[in-house]
Amino acid sequence: DGGITQSPKYLFRKEGQNVTLSCEQNLNHDAMYWYRQDPGQGLRLIYYSQIVNDFQKGDIAEGYSVSREKKESFPLTVTSAQKNPTAFYLCASSIVLLADRKAGEQYFGPGTRLTVT
Amino acid sequence: DQQVKQNSPSLSVQEGRISILNCDYTNSMFDYFLWYKKYPAEGPTFLISISSIKDKNEDGRFTVFLNKSAKHLSLHIVPSQPGDSAVYFCAARGSGGDNFNKFYFGSGTKLNVKP
Repeated sequence: DGGITQSPKYLFRKEGQNVTLSCEQNLNHDAMYWYRQDPGQGLRLIYYSQIVNDFQKGDIAEGYSVSREKKESFPLTVTSAQKNPTAFYLCASSIVLLADRKAGEQYFGPGTRLTVT
Repeated sequence: DQQVKQNSPSLSVQEGRISILNCDYTNSMFDYFLWYKKYPAEGPTFLISISSIKDKNEDGRFTVFLNKSAKHLSLHIVPSQPGDSAVYFCAARGSGGDNFNKFYFGSGTKLNVKP
């Protein structure tokens, strides 16, 4: 089955520790994204990548880092510099814009709930 | 500065009636608009989309309307069913430059369909 997976579903860490969230997709999508959702808020873009070995900062990139060494994988590291890391993290992937302007809707993983105490 | 806004955090509708969810945007360069449905503790799932060159797209019980002059879109669900109860996110896709293939999401509207 094609899809996008995130692991683990729940993650607990002590303050001051870096933690890496996994995201894997077998949809052969070029683009991958990381979002953060806080209670009562929408999805805010952390980082995104349109192609392997390239990525761009989103709206709230401070305190986070990513890598895109393989097409299928886009891990997100939450560093100790992130002031409020406790949140629900969502990874997504999509095809890149097609010439005929067909929508490249995003496919989302199930999310990882990170709690830092 | 939020470029996609959903001003109604919640909506309650009786089963069988129409649900209308609204979304406003500020950037006229968005080329595609999408609606996603999300259950708690899960990732959003794609529902329906519309190109900026269209004004209506229909898929079964779901219809999205786009009013470009007003920078407004809406999702109509007819008839509403209890299983439609979820949070609905509106999203818009950037079309060029730094916004290429970048998606902007609204804050969501929680729909409750009462039996």
